[in-house]
Amino acid sequence: NAGVTQTPKFRVLKTGQSMTLLCAQDMNHEYMYWYRQDPGMGLRLIHYSVGEGTTAKGEVPDGYNVSRLKKQNFLLGLESAAPSQTSVYFCASSSIGANLLYGYTFGSGTRLTVV
Amino acid sequence: RKEVEQDPGPFNVPEGATVAFNCTYSNSASQSFFWYRQDCRKEPKLLMSVYSSGNEDGRFTAQLNRASQYISLLIRDSKLSDSATYLCVVLKNTGNQFYFGTGTSLTVIP
Repeated sequence: NAGVTQTPKFRVLKTGQSMTLLCAQDMNHEYMYWYRQDPGMGLRLIHYSVGEGTTAKGEVPDGYNVSRLKKQNFLLGLESAAPSQTSVYFCASSSIGANLLYGYTFGSGTRLTVV
Repeated sequence: RKEVEQDPGPFNVPEGATVAFNCTYSNSASQSFFWYRQDCRKEPKLLMSVYSSGNEDGRFTAQLNRASQYISLLIRDSKLSDSATYLCVVLKNTGNQFYFGTGTSLTVIP
């Protein structure tokens, strides 16, 4: 029972490079989310999806794009990486109804450094 | 105003002590509340949900005060393994978006 799997776990990018972070969940959850976590800032929502084929902006969406072509996968793209995007990225998922009781399940995170 | 606010601490307490954290939320229509635990360089994990009547899980007790819009977490008989950051989390009435506090750091000292 894998839960939520994020790849890669670590990455170093040069300014201006692009990359895609992959989040996969095997719990048949409807909702999926991408957060970034920075010291003193807590978890901030980048984008989220309430179902296959849908996406919505969160609190800090600029510089990121997302896609959810399959229910189990949620991709986060950085088109042109900037040092300000150095952060730890967490993917999370939750289920309609069950989220009221059980909250989120998180992936183990991706540590991204942009130099 | 932030959706969820917590005292960042740090709280440094001796083993065996009782420690309490509070968290306030701004949206009176918020419907579900949680405490998460996050260890250093790890993902947050659900510690416990917070119910209106209050709930207890072993050494941990969570309380909700809707009138004053705060939730609390009480840890009794602190263990070294309780050292972590504790995140207050609120689910808004839209049902699909959670808001996180910045976390309260706890270190339990031998």
